[in-house]
Amino acid sequence: GAVVSQHPSWVICKSGTSVKIECRSLDFQATTMFWYRQFPKQSLMLMATSNEGSKATYEQGVEKDKFLINHASLTLSTLTVTSAHPEDSSFYICSASPAGGPNEQFFGPGTRLTVL
Amino acid sequence: AQSVTQLDSQVPVFEEAPVELRCNYSSSVSVYLFWYVQYPNQGLQLLLKYLSGSTLVKGINGFEAEFNKSQTSFHLRKPSVHISDTAEYFCAVTGSGGYQKVTFGIGTKLQVIP
Repeated sequence: GAVVSQHPSWVICKSGTSVKIECRSLDFQATTMFWYRQFPKQSLMLMATSNEGSKATYEQGVEKDKFLINHASLTLSTLTVTSAHPEDSSFYICSASPAGGPNEQFFGPGTRLTVL
Repeated sequence: AQSVTQLDSQVPVFEEAPVELRCNYSSSVSVYLFWYVQYPNQGLQLLLKYLSGSTLVKGINGFEAEFNKSQTSFHLRKPSVHISDTAEYFCAVTGSGGYQKVTFGIGTKLQVIP
């Protein structure tokens, strides 16, 4: 149980375009979902926390208008990288925390974004 | 606020030898502790977790960890490693009361040598 999926797993796009990444909790309802960014050989950096039906909470230094997060249902959150640039190239990982459970997170497999 | 320190960025070890990956944390509240493994170009997989109860926690793939509150440590151990254990290992901590952010360590690269 507690499986989280991400789609796509790998995406290449041109500079200036927008890319949407989906994160789904497959067998549980997730009140809260999290988006992380990971640079090569580094740890995970929390970008934002999203709660179903409300606006996401962004970490300091993360541009809200560039990284749009929508958590429309208890099983789906999306991250849209708008007007992507090469510096946005990274590994993006989502996680989900089950509703009513202890504060633990289940991670998706990640999405590798490459902006040319 | 919490913090996690993984003292070793890389740990080389010969196959079938034991290994310990160190993790220390700081927190002003009670904590939950986790160890995750990440293989290249993949997400994080939970190895084990400490939420409450027994301080010795057993996880998948033969790993175990011991929560030591007095030393604020949660070291990960395996008595005999395999080549397939080569990966990045992350220690993480979060507060146990209500929602609190998960804080990750910088990771330890375990390199198993044949």
